[in-house]
Amino acid sequence: NAGVIQTPRHKVTGKGQEATLWCEPISGHSAVFWYRQTIVQGLEFLTYFRNQAPIDDSGMPKERFSAQMPNQSHSTLKIQSTQPQDSAVYLCASSLEDRGGERLFFGHGTKLSVL
Amino acid sequence: QEKVQQSPESLIVPEGAMSSLNCTFSNSASQSIWWYQQHPGKGPEALISIFSNGNKKEGRLTVYLNRASLHVSLHIRDSQPSDSAVYLCAVSMSNYNVLYFGSGTKLTVEP
Repeated sequence: NAGVIQTPRHKVTGKGQEATLWCEPISGHSAVFWYRQTIVQGLEFLTYFRNQAPIDDSGMPKERFSAQMPNQSHSTLKIQSTQPQDSAVYLCASSLEDRGGERLFFGHGTKLSVL
Repeated sequence: QEKVQQSPESLIVPEGAMSSLNCTFSNSASQSIWWYQQHPGKGPEALISIFSNGNKKEGRLTVYLNRASLHVSLHIRDSQPSDSAVYLCAVSMSNYNVLYFGSGTKLTVEP
């Protein structure tokens, strides 16, 4: 089992450009989560999907950020018009189910740098 | 949203010593509490979880939960240099699996 796969590992964008981050969850896991990690804010919840359906996006900045899960094998996080404050490590995680207490398995993350 | 605070921010212990990390959370109705370990350049990895008041032991790890005081602690017995990492406390509020994380404790175990 390769674990949760995130691509790319590093992405550099110019201010105002679009960035798309990819996540492949562990096969058979029904829940997929996106988090953002910075030194200042720590690990922040962004959004999550259950069986590909969006369930909770309460952590997503309302403008410029969107997430999709078009099939059970991948999810994308898109950031439009990137800003320097979007620079962070974006982490994807999956779990077998989304009931409370399930272990989350994280990928290595995508480090986004906005110049 | 759950508020999770961890202390200390950093901890340095000699090899073989006990490492003690603390975490407080804001809601006694929190469902599950997890401890994750994160090495540089890697995603967090789950170590141990607890749901009920009391303690739970797995290998060199022991976790204590006191819901009345909204406090959970992690103790690592016989700490090894390989235990050096950031330790994250995480709490889920509801029956859903969204975890809210603290800012972490950086543990350094000196040989």
